[in-house]
Amino acid sequence: DAMVIQNPRYQVTQFGKPVTLSCSQTLNHNVMYWYQQKSSQAPKLLFHYYDKDFNNEADTPDNFQSRRPNTSFCFLDIRSPGLGDAAMYLCATSRDRTGGGYTFGSGTRLTVV
Amino acid sequence: GESVGLHLPTLSVQEGDNSIINCAYSNSASDYFIWYKQESGKGPQFIIDIRSNMDKRQGQRVTVLLNKTVKHLSLQIAATQPGDSAVYFCAEEDFGGYQKVTFGTGTKLQVIP
Repeated sequence: DAMVIQNPRYQVTQFGKPVTLSCSQTLNHNVMYWYQQKSSQAPKLLFHYYDKDFNNEADTPDNFQSRRPNTSFCFLDIRSPGLGDAAMYLCATSRDRTGGGYTFGSGTRLTVV
Repeated sequence: GESVGLHLPTLSVQEGDNSIINCAYSNSASDYFIWYKQESGKGPQFIIDIRSNMDKRQGQRVTVLLNKTVKHLSLQIAATQPGDSAVYFCAEEDFGGYQKVTFGTGTKLQVIP
């Protein structure tokens, strides 16, 4: 089945130690998104790629970076995780920028110790 | 660790009854609205959508109503089942510029057997 896969499901990292979360998709969608979701809160958009075009949200900290080496894969890099970065990180895709519901992965829950 | 989150509004419904989940949106220019269901530990799942030129759309057991005058969106679930227990998010999208979906505050639906 076509889907959005996030690895790992759970990630524990040390304070200040760089960590990378990965997302892959078999939908061949043009757009890939990274959201941060903290407990009992709505997902918050960090950035998205439209094809190779990177679009950062104005309030996304510089600590967060992303890479999209090809259509299928997108990575979220947290350069120096702080305790406040502990959250669920959700990857989503959409075919294009016109209206259409996103397809989300199951998320990676990040714990910072 | 993760910061303490907000307490989600909670709706408790008896199994078999109808559920109505409400959402107020902020952007009068939004063109498209989506309801997502998020079960514990999973990513949001698309339920139903509606464009701004409509006021009602029906799916299987679900109906979305849009009132643009008061910027209000609702999700009706008929004959609520235990499997409907989840957090429900409304989301809005403004087609101007990049496709950008903004999530509203979620509502937790608890189905009482």
